[in-house]
Formats: sequence, C-alpha cells, structure tokens
Amino acid sequence: QQQVKQSPQSLIVQKGGISIINCAYENTAFDYFPWYQQFPGKGPALLIAIRPDVSEKKEGRFTISFNKSAKQFSLHIMDSQPGDSATYFCAASTSGDDKIIFGKGTRLHILP
Amino acid sequence: KAGVTQTPRYLIKTRGQQVTLSCSPISGHRSVSWYQQTPGQGLQFLFEYFSETQRNKGNFPGRFSGRQFSNSRSEMNVSTLELGDSALYLCASSFSTPTTTYEQYFGPGTRLTVT
Repeated sequence: QQQVKQSPQSLIVQKGGISIINCAYENTAFDYFPWYQQFPGKGPALLIAIRPDVSEKKEGRFTISFNKSAKQFSLHIMDSQPGDSATYFCAASTSGDDKIIFGKGTRLHILP
Repeated sequence: KAGVTQTPRYLIKTRGQQVTLSCSPISGHRSVSWYQQTPGQGLQFLFEYFSETQRNKGNFPGRFSGRQFSNSRSEMNVSTLELGDSALYLCASSFSTPTTTYEQYFGPGTRLTVT
C-alpha cells in the first residue's frame, strides 16, 4: 500500500519555466509534509516543508501548495534553472513519529 | 555545525556475510533514523532510535538491526546478506522529541554492494 503517491515520475522543463510536482496521501494522521531534493551520489536534502495549518508556503523560488480536504500537496519551482535538475521526493510523517513515508520520486531535468 | 556523517561510504560484501554501518548525527540531535534506498522500492524506513531506544520500526526482516549509543551515534547491522540487500543506506538525524517532529537531515549514505 503506497501511502504517498507522487507524479510525474519524470519531468522535463525549459529553463525559466515552472516545474510542478504533485503528491497525494492517504493517512489523515499525517501532519508534516517535507520535500527533499537529491543529487546523484548524495543524500536527500530538505528543501521546504509544510504543516496542514497553512495552505501555502514559499521559500525563494520554491512553493508548496497544500489542499487538506483533497489530501494533496504540490511543489512549484518558479524560474527553473539547470542547477535544479535533480530527483525530488515528497514525504509525510506524523508528529512525534520520525518515520517518514516517501513518494517514489520525480526526476526533474531543466533544459538549458 | 558538522552534518550527518556515515562510514564507510562504500562497501562490497559477499552473500551470507554480515555488515555494520555507522552514523554520527548532527551535534545535539537525539533522534537517528535509517532508510534503505533502491531504484525499485525507493526510500524505505528501516528504524528510528531516540535516546538509545528503538522508537519505530519498518517492515524489514529481523536480519536488519540497529542500536544507538549514549552519544547518539548509531549503528545498523545486516546479517546473512542477500543480493537484494544491495542499496544505498541512509542515516538521518533530527532534533525531534516524542511529541514534536522536526526536520530530518540526511547523511551521504553508505553504498552497499552484495556479490
């Protein structure tokens, strides 16, 4: 049972465009939703995270949109750059529980 | 502040052998979690330790075990290695308490190859 579903599996975006990655979750007990960025040969790095008491969080070019009723959340990367080319993982967990459930990942490629 | 460190970075073992991986968390972090990353299954939670106690466990066989020391450093052990255990093993630490979740920071991982 996949508790966090992520799409698309891969994404190609032109430089300067908007990259959008979507995730859906099933467990309503989840209350912490981080996004991780992973480059080849490296461990995942925390990019941005949101809790369900807000519908949107923005940090620089990265924005998370959160829809609690639909149990969906998404990552928007504005003005995408070649350096953003990496694998992105959405994830979810419950307060007091450090067990993170990850989506399958999206391989993003930004064309120069 | 130094990040999460993992040793060794690369390891090649033979089927049937056992292996021990080490993780040093960020200073002040008391929670350490372990994950297995493979191309087919993605990132899967193995177990989490907080103040030397296993607080949570994923769906892995008993061949996978771990422990945490009083200085929060952690080790994981895999006994009777199988070819399918070939993966990147990631350690993550956080400032989390039993009631509040904080950000988890990952180390670079240990690449284990079983032949």
